[in-house]
Formats: sequence, C-alpha cells, structure tokens
Amino acid sequence: NAGVTQTPKFRILKIGQSMTLQCAQDMNHNYMYWYRQDPGMGLKLIYYSVGAGITDKGEVPNGYNVSRSTTEDFPLRLELAAPSQTSVYFCASSYGGARQGSDEQYFGPGTRLTVT
Amino acid sequence: AQTVTQSQPEMSVQEAETVTLSCTYDTSESDYYLFWYKQPPSRQMILVIRQEAYKQQNATENRFSVNFQKAAKSFSLKISDSQLGDAAMYFCAYRSGNTNAGKSTFGDGTTLTVKP
Repeated sequence: NAGVTQTPKFRILKIGQSMTLQCAQDMNHNYMYWYRQDPGMGLKLIYYSVGAGITDKGEVPNGYNVSRSTTEDFPLRLELAAPSQTSVYFCASSYGGARQGSDEQYFGPGTRLTVT
Repeated sequence: AQTVTQSQPEMSVQEAETVTLSCTYDTSESDYYLFWYKQPPSRQMILVIRQEAYKQQNATENRFSVNFQKAAKSFSLKISDSQLGDAAMYFCAYRSGNTNAGKSTFGDGTTLTVKP
C-alpha cells in the first residue's frame, strides 16, 4: 500500500493564481482531511470528509474548496492565492469505524506552498 | 469550540532519562479521544499514543505513557529511557467522538531535543 499520497511536494504560486493540491489514499478509508501547518505551529483543519459526496468545513476553510467524488481522492482547491496561504498542507485519512474518533489518522508527506 | 494548549514550546532531555510533555484541553463534550503525534524533521506525522476519554486507565505503548486527568483536562506524555530518535516536535490532539469525529484540534507543539 502507498498509504496517503500528495502531489505536488513543492509549489510556488503568484498572488491571484489558483491551483489544486491532490490527495489520494489506497486504504479504503472513509474519512479524509486537509490541514495546514504554519511555521512553528500546530495543524489547523481546513476541510474534512466522512465519505464520498460529503464534506464539511473545519477551523480555517476560507479561501479553499474541496470535493470528494470517490473514496480514494480528496483534492483541495485554492482560488485566488494570497500570501496568507503560504504554508505546509497535509492530507490525512482514517478508517471511520464504529468509534470514529478513536481511529488513527494517516498523514501524507505534505505539500510546501509559497505564495508571492 | 475545543482548544488544546501545549505550554512548553521546547524541552530537552538527556539520553536515557525521562521527560514529560504537558497538554491541557478544554471541551464540553463527554465523548472524545486524545492523541500524541510525533513529527520528526522529515515532516511525517506519526501516531505515538492514544487515549479514550471513557477509559480511566492510562494508555501505554512501550517507552511512552500518558497521565490522563479527565477532571483537570490534562493529558501529559511521559517518555522513558529517551533515545536520540525521539528528538522531534510532539503534538497533542483532540478529536470529538461519533457524529463530530471528523473534527480534530491540535496544540502548537513541543520541540523535544535529546542530548547524547
């Protein structure tokens, strides 16, 4: 199993550009998440999904959009990139069984995004 | 909204000694889970240990154990016989149970240095 994969690993955007961060998991997990991690800080939840076709906002959703058309994929779209979106972005997944909150989250390697 | 506070931005320990990392949280929920994750310089997030709030017994995983004080909303991590490979940033995380299980809250982290 590849686990959780993210592309690209690094990206530099100009202010106002748009891009999509890709995330895929091959563990048949129901739950998927997007976090951002600013330097020296913890992870902030952007969006999450509990299954295909179902998404919900996290703590910091402004400036981002997501979709979940399949169990495997959970892309994150940045519209009109701003310098405040410079961060490392992590995708994660978890099984989401009977006691969903107890499941371990498996993280991807992260995408380092710089907006200048 | 839940909050997670890690009051020690940096800690250091001598190899083979014991160190305790602090974490406090605030919630009005009764069903939740607590986690410690490790993030080495590679940036990969790795689960260290988890605790179910409904269990009174403290979780233990080899050299890692927690001191879970539910009434005080405290969840500290003890690392025994510290090894050089334990050097990393450690994050305390809270997850709601069941219907809100997608929502996770992370602390800002504690950077642990292990001295040879």
